[in-house]
Amino acid sequence: ETVLTQSPGTLSLSPGERVTLSCRASQSVSSNYLAWYQQKPGQAPRLLIYGASSRATGIPDRFSGSGSGTDFTLTISRLEPEDFAVYYCQQYGSSPPFIFGPGTKVDIK
Amino acid sequence: QVQLVQSGAEVKKPGSSVKVSCKASGGTVSNYGFNWVRQAPGQGLEWMGGIIPSFNTVKYAQKFQGRVTISADESTNTFYMELSSLGSEDTAVYYCARDISTSWFLFGLWDIWGQGTLLIVSS
Repeated sequence: ETVLTQSPGTLSLSPGERVTLSCRASQSVSSNYLAWYQQKPGQAPRLLIYGASSRATGIPDRFSGSGSGTDFTLTISRLEPEDFAVYYCQQYGSSPPFIFGPGTKVDIK
Repeated sequence: QVQLVQSGAEVKKPGSSVKVSCKASGGTVSNYGFNWVRQAPGQGLEWMGGIIPSFNTVKYAQKFQGRVTISADESTNTFYMELSSLGSEDTAVYYCARDISTSWFLFGLWDIWGQGTLLIVSS
């Protein structure tokens, strides 16, 4: 079973800054079936990125994903106030169980 | 646009069971898979299992095997998750989520989520 590791655990940043979040898999993710979700306090997760680099419907283009194999990155080009949240990576597509990383919290500096 | 509306918060005694519902409205649910994901306080996301009613497919995470039952009532577009032998460690928010794929197998990519149901297990 694949294990997903995210780093850093927490990032303290200011609006307008560029953010790079990392997700590393313990084994290669087939077909780059790697997704990113955003979760704000008291809300359900929201799908941001799938297929490692494709934005989900309605997601602003300041969000981008990249990577392949075992190393993946979520980049927010310019932080907006509404982007302060927890971000989870997740492997999908292969047989269950569907695994999430532990999350990276982006909070306001 | 499909919306998922979950049942309200629950408080249960240790050892009891809970059944949480998730009603889909606003669009077709045919051929989609619906999953349950939980989140303990201050913790991450954990997939529990999922169902594709049109293909009679139900899958459970090994951790919950034997303790969770996921079912569906297609006539009302409602999905259920029943968890038995509750302990304090089951205190969490439980989410239903729609699988983005209409395949015969669960794809594990979720585009629509319910609002969450808080379960508190306490004596």
